[in-house]
Amino acid sequence: KQEVTQIPAALSVPEGENLVLNCSFTDSAIYNLQWFRQDPGKGLTSLLLIQSSQREQTSGRLNASLDKSSGRSTLYIAASQPGDSATYLCAVRNNYGGSQGNLIFGKGTKLSVKP
Amino acid sequence: GAGVSQSPRYKVAKRGQDVALRCDPISGHVSLFWYQQALGQGPEFLTYFQNEAQLDKSGLPSDRFFAERPEGSVSTLKIQRTQQEDSAVYLCASSPGQAEGSPLHFGNGTRLTVT
Repeated sequence: KQEVTQIPAALSVPEGENLVLNCSFTDSAIYNLQWFRQDPGKGLTSLLLIQSSQREQTSGRLNASLDKSSGRSTLYIAASQPGDSATYLCAVRNNYGGSQGNLIFGKGTKLSVKP
Repeated sequence: GAGVSQSPRYKVAKRGQDVALRCDPISGHVSLFWYQQALGQGPEFLTYFQNEAQLDKSGLPSDRFFAERPEGSVSTLKIQRTQQEDSAVYLCASSPGQAEGSPLHFGNGTRLTVT
């Protein structure tokens, strides 16, 4: 059974710092991996989607990497800003059987960027 | 609007009551998903539709949970005889075409509180 773990559970940094959020998954047979942002009381906003054949994706100050063989992904945030404060969720879609839509989520990393 | 819309935003139900949660996906999106998110946890898959066909309902926690999408657009998640453990945020997501390669677009969710 696929399990997704995110470390750390919470992170507080001063504004301007570069930071890395970690995601690990137990089964490397994934179709893709997606990073989301969730603000309090809101739904999920998709940040980056990495297909299993890709190594990384970039969008603005965000860069996500994928090492499928070791079951790891990282989300790098450059020059953090207070507006980046949110919970960041990692989710994988398995590459076998079952539902085509079954995203398996980690519990998230709650990020706080202090001005 | 252009996004996934869910209603109501908040629902308080007394234990034993039936509830119905509505999801309006992005127009033209073929795939629709329901997820349940408990406090401090990542979302967990409930069920998946491709057009009007419910292709996977393996995540529904009990036979009190029922979902439908009769015309391949709007979907309703119904919970009968609600219990306190049903208290959670229920998230709906949609994606265009086949699910595997497309990012999911989430609504803001319905927060259900069972008293």
